Amino acid sequence: KQEVTQIPAALSVPEGENLVLNCSFTDSAIYNLQWFRQDPGKGLTSLLLIQSSQREQTSGRLNASLDKSSGRSTLYIAASQPGDSATYLCAPTDGTASKLTFGTGTRLQVTL
Amino acid sequence: GAVVSQHPSWVICKSGTSVKIECRSLDFQATTMFWYRQFPKQSLMLMATSNEGSKATYEQGVEKDKFLINHASLTLSTLTVTSAHPEDSSFYICSAREPGQGYEQYFGPGTRLTVT
Repeated sequence: KQEVTQIPAALSVPEGENLVLNCSFTDSAIYNLQWFRQDPGKGLTSLLLIQSSQREQTSGRLNASLDKSSGRSTLYIAASQPGDSATYLCAPTDGTASKLTFGTGTRLQVTL
Repeated sequence: GAVVSQHPSWVICKSGTSVKIECRSLDFQATTMFWYRQFPKQSLMLMATSNEGSKATYEQGVEKDKFLINHASLTLSTLTVTSAHPEDSSFYICSAREPGQGYEQYFGPGTRLTVT
């Protein structure tokens, strides 16, 4: 059974800082991995999708890396802004591309 | 990008009644849709996977007779919570997968269910 851990559970940084969110998973036989953002009481917004054959993906100020063999992914956020405040979830998809397993998330607060 | 909608966005019902939640893929055909439940300050837990035209596959511990899932078309899946109890109060989120797009899942905005 896949288990996903995200560290730290919560993070508060001043605006402008670069930061790294960590995700580890126990079963490396994944199809892909997605990073999501969730605002309080809202659904999920997909940020990045990394296929198992890829090492990283970039979108604007976001960069996600994947080390499948060691069961790790990181989300790098450059020049953080107050609007980045949200909970960030990582979710690997199993090898049959049928199930996402979510981590407990990192709650990010970017202060002025 | 691919858009998934849910209706209603929130619902309050009395204990013992049934509630239906709709999940629609607006600009793509979804052969597979997923239903998740999220309790406060917890992560999403997969409840079931539904494939168009066939019976849903439920995760261990999810009562299929209580959470009825129908995926009658390529753009619509419904979740019916039957004989709802207060412990069923939760945030229900659906997702849809677009075929041939790297198996990325697109999520709806969620439905807040409160059972009184």
